[in-house]
Amino acid sequence: AQSVTQLGSHVSVSEGALVLLRCNYSSSVPPYLFWYVQYPNQGLQLLLKYTTGATLVKGINGFEAEFKKSETSFHLTKPSAHMSDAAEYFCAALDYGGNNRLAFGKGNQVVVIP
Amino acid sequence: EAGVTQSPTHLIKTRGQQATLRCSPISGHTSVYWYQQALGLGLQFLLWYDEGEERNRGNFPPRFSGRQFPNYSSELNVNALELEDSALYLCASSLNKPYEQYFGPGTRLTVT
Repeated sequence: AQSVTQLGSHVSVSEGALVLLRCNYSSSVPPYLFWYVQYPNQGLQLLLKYTTGATLVKGINGFEAEFKKSETSFHLTKPSAHMSDAAEYFCAALDYGGNNRLAFGKGNQVVVIP
Repeated sequence: EAGVTQSPTHLIKTRGQQATLRCSPISGHTSVYWYQQALGLGLQFLLWYDEGEERNRGNFPPRFSGRQFPNYSSELNVNALELEDSALYLCASSLNKPYEQYFGPGTRLTVT
C-alpha cells in the first residue's frame, strides 16, 4: 500500500524566509501527488497537485512543488513566508488503479516567527 | 457554487452510543469519501461511495458503516462508540476524477 512520509512534525520559519516542506512517497509507480493545507478547526484546502506533465507545479498562495521521480519526492516550497502561512500542511498520494483512497503523510505544523 | 457541507459541526456522545454524521457533496459530484483525522493517527481513509454503492473501505471495523442516497448525499454511522473514535471526520466529494477530491469542514466527534 502507498505510504507518504513527511519529516519534522513542527517546522518554524521566520517571516520572509523560505518555506520548505519535504514529502516522499513509497510506490515504484509515481502516483498522483497533492499538498493540502488545514487551518485551525477547518477542513482541507488543496494547495496544488501533480497528475502528469510538467514536474514543477504552481499552486495557490505562492506555493509550488517539484515532482522528482528519481527521488520519489514532492517537496513544497514558498520563497517568502507570510504570517498567514501558519497552518498544518499535508502531503498526499493517490494510486492509479481505482481504489481512489488518498494516503496522507503525518503533516507539518508550520509556525511563522515574526 | 456551494462546497461540500457536513453536519453537525460538533457531536458529543457517550461510549456505547451511536453517531450519525452527514455529508452533502458539491452539486453534480457522484462520489463521496470519508476520512478520519484522529489525534496521533493522522488522516486515514474510511469509505468511498459512488453511485449509491460502497466501492472501497479502509482498515476500520464493521461498526463504521454508511450509505449514499439517491441525491448523492451520504451518511456515516459509527455504532458502539469507543473513546478512540473521537476525531475530526472529513467528507470529500469528486466527479469522475478521483484526483480532484474537495473536502468539507468536518464534523468533530467527541466520545466521553
